[in-house]
Amino acid sequence: KAGVTQTPRYLIKTRGQQVTLSCSPISGHRSVSWYQQTPGQGLQFLFEYFSETQRNKGNFPGRFSGRQFSNSRSEMNVSTLELGDSALYLCASSSHRQGDTYNSPLHFGNGTRLTVT
Amino acid sequence: QKEVEQNSGPLSVPEGAIASLNCTYSDRGSQSFFWYRQYSGKSPELIMFIYSNGDKEDGRFTAQLNKASQYVSLLIRDSQPSDSATYLCAVKDTDKLIFGTGTRLQVFP
Repeated sequence: KAGVTQTPRYLIKTRGQQVTLSCSPISGHRSVSWYQQTPGQGLQFLFEYFSETQRNKGNFPGRFSGRQFSNSRSEMNVSTLELGDSALYLCASSSHRQGDTYNSPLHFGNGTRLTVT
Repeated sequence: QKEVEQNSGPLSVPEGAIASLNCTYSDRGSQSFFWYRQYSGKSPELIMFIYSNGDKEDGRFTAQLNKASQYVSLLIRDSQPSDSATYLCAVKDTDKLIFGTGTRLQVFP
């Protein structure tokens, strides 16, 4: 079974630009989450989608947005990039269903490393 | 704000020893706990999860959960240099995981 696929692997953008990152979950997984990882802050939750609906959102500004398509693939968009947005962006999928409190761990993709100059 | 705390390390252990990694969490109502391993430059990979008090063993790894004291630990037996990585503890909070900042483990030959 193929794992979580993220594209692109690396991106270099300049301040003020916008960027779109893509994520294809493990086949059959309907939940997709996005995390930002930086050396200082660790892994920070951005948002989670299930069946095309955003169920949860982290404490990030509105410049960060996402969506999920009917095939469970997800995209994340960051507008008006700032230097502080430089990070590894990780997508993770799980078979999580509503009410499934215990199991359904996250499986991460290889990430997209974004550098903002 | 729910928090997960880990000692950043590095924790240095000799090859063959037991490495003990600890994690505390703030929300007494937390139910599910996960350990991930992350090699430098790579993405986190799941080692194991636990949601019942006590021990859970998987090969050389044992997760221990004590809900009364709000801590979860990971023991790695017969540590190998290939175990050198950052170990992330995570706690489930509704539809997301809250991660600690990780403990860097160094296993020296």
